[in-house]
Amino acid sequence: DGGITQSPKYLFRKEGQNVTLSCEQNLNHDAMYWYRQDPGQGLRLIYYSQIVNDFQKGDIAEGYSVSREKKESFPLTVTSAQKNPTAFYLCASSIEIRGEQFFGPGTRLTVL
Amino acid sequence: AQSVTQLDSQVPVFEEAPVELRCNYSSSVSVYLFWYVQYPNQGLQLLLKYLSGSTLVESINGFEAEFNKSQTSFHLRKPSVHISDTAEYFCAVSERNTGNQFYFGTGTSLTVIP
Repeated sequence: DGGITQSPKYLFRKEGQNVTLSCEQNLNHDAMYWYRQDPGQGLRLIYYSQIVNDFQKGDIAEGYSVSREKKESFPLTVTSAQKNPTAFYLCASSIEIRGEQFFGPGTRLTVL
Repeated sequence: AQSVTQLDSQVPVFEEAPVELRCNYSSSVSVYLFWYVQYPNQGLQLLLKYLSGSTLVESINGFEAEFNKSQTSFHLRKPSVHISDTAEYFCAVSERNTGNQFYFGTGTSLTVIP
């Protein structure tokens, strides 16, 4: 089955620690995205990548970093510089940058 | 850049009643339009989309949306809702020929009351 996987489903970290969220897709999509979702605020774009080895900042990139070394993988690192990291994080992919996006199941990060 | 407005943050409706969730976008350039649904603690699933052709698009579970270019709207409707329709609904827009982003509305929480 083709799709997007995110792991883990739930993640707990202590304040001040960096943490990396995994996102893998086997849809052969060029574009991948990371969103943050907070209650009542919809989805906010953190980073996106149109092609391997290239990525751009979204609306709320501060305190986050990404890499795109392989077409199928787009990991997100939440650094200690992110002031309020507790949130639900969603990864998505699309064939091209303006096309329909397919979403993973999400990772809920809680920083204690 | 586009902005997408979902005017109603919460919509309660009784089971078997009709519902309309409103979505307006800002720019009149040629666009693709989408509605996504999100159940609690899950990712978003595509409900329906408008790419071209007929302005009325339908989903397999009874929802429909109509693209209105003059009003820059893409409202979602269902003539009779079920308990299982309780979820968060997001409208999204991308620009057909320009731009490099997908713009989401802030979401509408639909609660179906038994």
